Amino acid sequence: NAGVTQTPKFRVLKTGQSMTLLCAQDMNHEYMYWYRQDPGMGLRLIHYSVGEGTTAKGEVPDGYNVSRLKKQNFLLGLESAAPSQTSVYFCASSGLDEKLFFGSGTQLSVL
Amino acid sequence: AQKVTQAQTEISVVEKEDVTLDCVYETRDTTYYLFWYKQPPSGELVFLIRRNSFDEQNEISGRYSWNFQKSTSSFNFTITASQVVDSAVYFCALSVDFGNEKLTFGTGTRLTIIP
Repeated sequence: NAGVTQTPKFRVLKTGQSMTLLCAQDMNHEYMYWYRQDPGMGLRLIHYSVGEGTTAKGEVPDGYNVSRLKKQNFLLGLESAAPSQTSVYFCASSGLDEKLFFGSGTQLSVL
Repeated sequence: AQKVTQAQTEISVVEKEDVTLDCVYETRDTTYYLFWYKQPPSGELVFLIRRNSFDEQNEISGRYSWNFQKSTSSFNFTITASQVVDSAVYFCALSVDFGNEKLTFGTGTRLTIIP
């Protein structure tokens, strides 16, 4: 009963490096989301997807790119990491009932 | 624009006490949805409840209850007879459209239950 799986769980990058976070869900959900969680700011939506092959910008999309080539996977990319992108990243998915299922998070530090 | 305020940053109570987490929201829309999510120490957020703006009935689920009052724009969450497993960060959230892309989260309340 995996639900939403994120990899990796931890990562440390140097400024300017790139990386990709992988999110996989096994619930056949149409909708997938990437959030970032920062102290005192709650969760903010980075990008989202309403179906395979589609992506859209959320509240804080700058510096990130996403892809949804397969329905079950949603990738978040950082092309040139910056210290301001140090955060905890959460992937989530939902079906038509809007109930969000979250992954366990990825703690990213950019030095 | 929508806004969700959780004024209580941290709360600590002794086990078995009741505790209420406050949530105040702002929106000009007449149709909206309110949510509560729990984030235990393991990190992942867990859905607790969804309520639409047309349903002001209070809801009870075991030791959890929710009080929705449109007159005060509040959607408060009460845990009765708290337990150590209730220790977590709790987030209130608001959506004015169907779809989570319009979901606005509050900043969360960290609840610690002292054994």
